[in-house]
Formats: sequence, structure tokens, C-alpha cells
Amino acid sequence: EVQLVESGGRLVQPGGSLRLSCAASGFTFSGSAMHWVRQAPGKGLEWVGRIRSKGNNYATSYGASVKDRFTLSRDDSKNMAYLHMNSLKIEDTAVYYCARRYCSNGRCYFDYWGQGTLVTVSS
Amino acid sequence: QSALTQPASVSGSPGQSITISCTGTSKDVGVDNSVSWYQQHPGKAPKLIIYESTNRPSGVSDRFSASKFGNTASLTISGLQAEDEADYYCCSYININALQVLFGGGTKLTVL
Repeated sequence: EVQLVESGGRLVQPGGSLRLSCAASGFTFSGSAMHWVRQAPGKGLEWVGRIRSKGNNYATSYGASVKDRFTLSRDDSKNMAYLHMNSLKIEDTAVYYCARRYCSNGRCYFDYWGQGTLVTVSS
Repeated sequence: QSALTQPASVSGSPGQSITISCTGTSKDVGVDNSVSWYQQHPGKAPKLIIYESTNRPSGVSDRFSASKFGNTASLTISGLQAEDEADYYCCSYININALQVLFGGGTKLTVL
């Protein structure tokens, strides 16, 4: 059974930093691109970013609103993905989901999602 | 990059059919079979219900179907049931120089 379990969300002050973790199991983590998607309270889904596999040089891409503040990393030996968040703003308050993106013949979609972890940025 | 455009809400009575549209551009929705759809119940994670624009994952009811024409994708739910009441999101992507994944703003489906 595929499982994605996020952790690390908590209350943090504006300007602070936080690291979220995503523990994966039930699939070949090392060969998968891992994405993060967030959802502000009462709002829609927003793509945060992704990190590709070792075979794709761990390439990263980020959404415009988090670029230069957030960094993605992964530890394939532990089947873990991480989202490092710096210079947090009130508008970063959201539930953060990690998701596996499956691609076939260049067509991609999110087939598995975690349950999410809540980050609250407030003074 | 702007989000994809979806209606904020739709509604229907049990047994009826509804359609949710998702409009993008020739660089995202209009590219090949790049659209996926997700269902999200309150307090839950999104769930994949359509991939590659028209395909259903195993386990998803055949009451869910989808199509795409040009830069607009559509999700149709037939034989509405109370359990279909949820938020629905379309998703596509652009991969020019760097990947950008785009979500629609979401559509709240109310089963009357």
C-alpha cells in the first residue's frame, strides 16, 4: 500500500523557518518525482514545487510565490522528502501536501497524496 | 502563470448530470492529454479521478467522465449522488525551461 505521511507543521512567526518532512512507502521512492502542493484555509490548491529523482539530477522547480524562499531536498536512503521554508510570510499559512507525480509517455498526474500538515504563520 | 479557470460552484439534484469546465491556454490545457482532475472532500486530501484528460483510475466510478477540446477540459458527473458533493480541481502543466504545475481555482459541487 502506498503511503505518504507529512510532518513538521506548526505555528511559526513571520520571518521564521520551518522544515516539513514527507515519509514515503509502498512504491519505488528513489525513482519518483516528489511534489509539494499547499492549500490556504478556505482556498484552492497551489503548486509549491518538485524534486526529481537521482536519475534526473535531483532537478527542482518552484512556484513563483515561493521561489527563492523554499528549497526541496530528499534522502532516498530513508525514503524521505523535505520542504525547507525560509522567510515565512503570513500568506504561507496553509496545509502542505506531498504528492507523487507519475508520468507515462510524457503525461503526468498526481496519483498519491499525503494527508497534509498544517503550517500557521502568525505573530 | 495564472491558474486555470473553473466555475466557482455548480449544483444538481440526485440522479442528474453536471459538467465542470476548466479553461487554460494553448501552452497548458491545450497541450496533448495533460489534464487531470481531483476530488476533495472537506478536511481530506485530494483524490485523483481523471488522468490524461479522459482516463479513470481503477476504483473510480464510471459516473465520472471527462473530455477536452482545444484549451478547455470538462468533467462530467452523471447520476449525481450525495457523496459526490465535494470540491473539484483540474490540473495541467507547462514545461518550457522549467516545470510549472497549474491548478484550477476549484469548483464546489452541491448536491441539492
